Amino acid sequence: EAGVAQSPRYKIIEKRQSVAFWCNPISGHATLYWYQQILGQGPKLLIQFQNNGVVDDSQLPKDRFSAERLKGVDSTLKIQPAKLEDSAVYLCASSPLAGAPDTQYFGPGTRLTVL
Amino acid sequence: KQEVTQIPAALSVPEGENLVLNCSFTDSAIYNLQWFRQDPGKGLTSLLLIQSSQREQTSGRLNASLDKSSGRSTLYIAASQPGDSATYLCAVRTNYGQNFVFGPGTRLSVLP
Repeated sequence: EAGVAQSPRYKIIEKRQSVAFWCNPISGHATLYWYQQILGQGPKLLIQFQNNGVVDDSQLPKDRFSAERLKGVDSTLKIQPAKLEDSAVYLCASSPLAGAPDTQYFGPGTRLTVL
Repeated sequence: KQEVTQIPAALSVPEGENLVLNCSFTDSAIYNLQWFRQDPGKGLTSLLLIQSSQREQTSGRLNASLDKSSGRSTLYIAASQPGDSATYLCAVRTNYGQNFVFGPGTRLSVLP
């Protein structure tokens, strides 16, 4: 089966600009996650969707980050305006079962550099 | 709040050596612990999942152990190969949270 797809793979922007990332999960997976991984750190969960509803966005900086999952399939994560500290890899993952995060399939990530 | 640390941050070994990677967590009320592998430019791949009631799990040359009381897990890699070179992360799922808390990872280099 096809894996989790993410685009773009790399993005370089200047601070205060906006940027959007796209994720296409594995077909049929109900749960979708966005993680932020800063260099030298482990991934940190930003937001979790179950179908098209938000389950957990407690660590999402809502003043600048937003995310949506249209029709319970694809998802976009947006940053507006970007700050230097947003430089990181943004990982998308999906899970086939609702309420069972143990089996997550990760995409390759989008590496964001904010200058 | 659960915190996860991993030591060492980086490790370089010659091919064929057995090695141990360490993971420590602050809250022993865990549901399970998972070890992942991350290759450069790629996402995470699950290696082993240990439930809180288990003491260890094995897959091929990999063996992961769990000691909840001391807040530690180890990943043992036998007869290391250059293809094992990657970053290894442990992630803990607590009893009160649905999602994982990740450690910072250990970057492993196996030299031919």
